[in-house]
Amino acid sequence: TQLLEQSPQFLSIQEGENLTVYCNSSSVFSSLQWYRQEPGEGPVLLVTVVTGGEVKKLKRLTFQFGDARKDSSLHITAAQPGDTGLYLCARTSGTYKYIFGTGTRLKVLA
Amino acid sequence: DVKVTQSSRYLVKRTGEKVFLECVQDMDHENMFWYRQDPGLGLRLIYFSYDVKMKEKGDIPEGYSVSREKKERFSLILESASTNQTSMYLCASSLWGGGSSRSDTQYFGPGTRLTVL
Repeated sequence: TQLLEQSPQFLSIQEGENLTVYCNSSSVFSSLQWYRQEPGEGPVLLVTVVTGGEVKKLKRLTFQFGDARKDSSLHITAAQPGDTGLYLCARTSGTYKYIFGTGTRLKVLA
Repeated sequence: DVKVTQSSRYLVKRTGEKVFLECVQDMDHENMFWYRQDPGLGLRLIYFSYDVKMKEKGDIPEGYSVSREKKERFSLILESASTNQTSMYLCASSLWGGGSSRSDTQYFGPGTRLTVL
């Protein structure tokens, strides 16, 4: 199983701060997805990136796919308490399967 | 609105019991998945199904079995529950599956937190 490593594992910040979380792999992947999981719920897809160097924005969230397609980052500008949750990256593996990263648990304090 | 439902949010069972976790999706999706989620380990795939009555092992199938008799329903069975199966269990469905050249959205249920005593 080819692992996806996420960093940091935990992050606690004040409202209004900026932050970046990372997802890295030793192998190239064709696409990468970011999910957010709020307490007591299942993960929800935020974005899919497919092209090396691609940048996608979702309001205050900016997602970037590395040029070599082996890493990705998620940057949050002016974090809010509603951004609190577990952020997971995922890549495809074979025809049907997905591999998920270990996750970054973010807490934004008001 | 897409919907994946799981039969229980919380479940407490005893060692050796047979446990059924049910998952239903209303999106007519072909593919359904069962994951377990443990702190520091992320989501690990137990089994998946790409069609009715079809199933394939994921990364950690030992101690589990599955059943998919109808397209909308995918059941996870713990034949004889053990304490190391205490975990959060997440069901998901998707229209196509992963694929090497395209990605698909996985829709997750809210999870079942299973405790085996």
